[in-house]
Amino acid sequence: EVQMVESGGGLVQPGGSLRLSCAASGFTFSTSTMTWGRQAPGKGLEWVSVISASGDNTEYGDSVKGRFTISRDNSKNTLYLQMNSLRVEDTAVYYCGKGWFDRWGQGTLVTVSS
Amino acid sequence: DIQMTQSPSAMSASVGDRVTITCRASQGISNNLAWFQQKPGKVPKRLIYAASSLQSGVPSRFSGSGSGTEFTLTISSLQPEDFATYYCLQYNNYPWTFGQGTKVEIK
Repeated sequence: EVQMVESGGGLVQPGGSLRLSCAASGFTFSTSTMTWGRQAPGKGLEWVSVISASGDNTEYGDSVKGRFTISRDNSKNTLYLQMNSLRVEDTAVYYCGKGWFDRWGQGTLVTVSS
Repeated sequence: DIQMTQSPSAMSASVGDRVTITCRASQGISNNLAWFQQKPGKVPKRLIYAASSLQSGVPSRFSGSGSGTEFTLTISSLQPEDFATYYCLQYNNYPWTFGQGTKVEIK
């Protein structure tokens, strides 16, 4: 069964940093494009970032470019999202996704507040 | 960036109704479009990919069509479990962009 479990969310002050992790199982992680998306409270879905299977290619949404970094460790079947210079508007549930979001994790809540 | 405009933003419908939701892209995206269903407090679920391919395990009352700039999601006979918010996603160009969502409520 495909499963993805996010962790690392929490409360952080504006300007702070967090690293999210997504542990994947039930599929061949090393050959899968992986994605991060988010959803602010009461709002719609927003795409954040994508990384190729090898990790050589990455892309970012305009609102996080230059502040967030996506990476992966195929030996650990784990996807990461390093989030720096966090803003209040980054408050959201963050989801990892397999491929073009054909499967989603349960999400982890990031709250940016003073 | 490609803008995805969904219509309507919200709608009321009855069980058994045929429901159609439209997503328009600000420029052509071939057939690189997916549809998602999200129920309150739940994780989104992909229904359709490549504009018209049904995700495994999704009931056949859901269908997608379109190419280029105009796409539709159709629910042929609305069931009680289908009341939810639906989103389209274009993955033809970076940044990928979601529509703003269509909330389907009970009439």
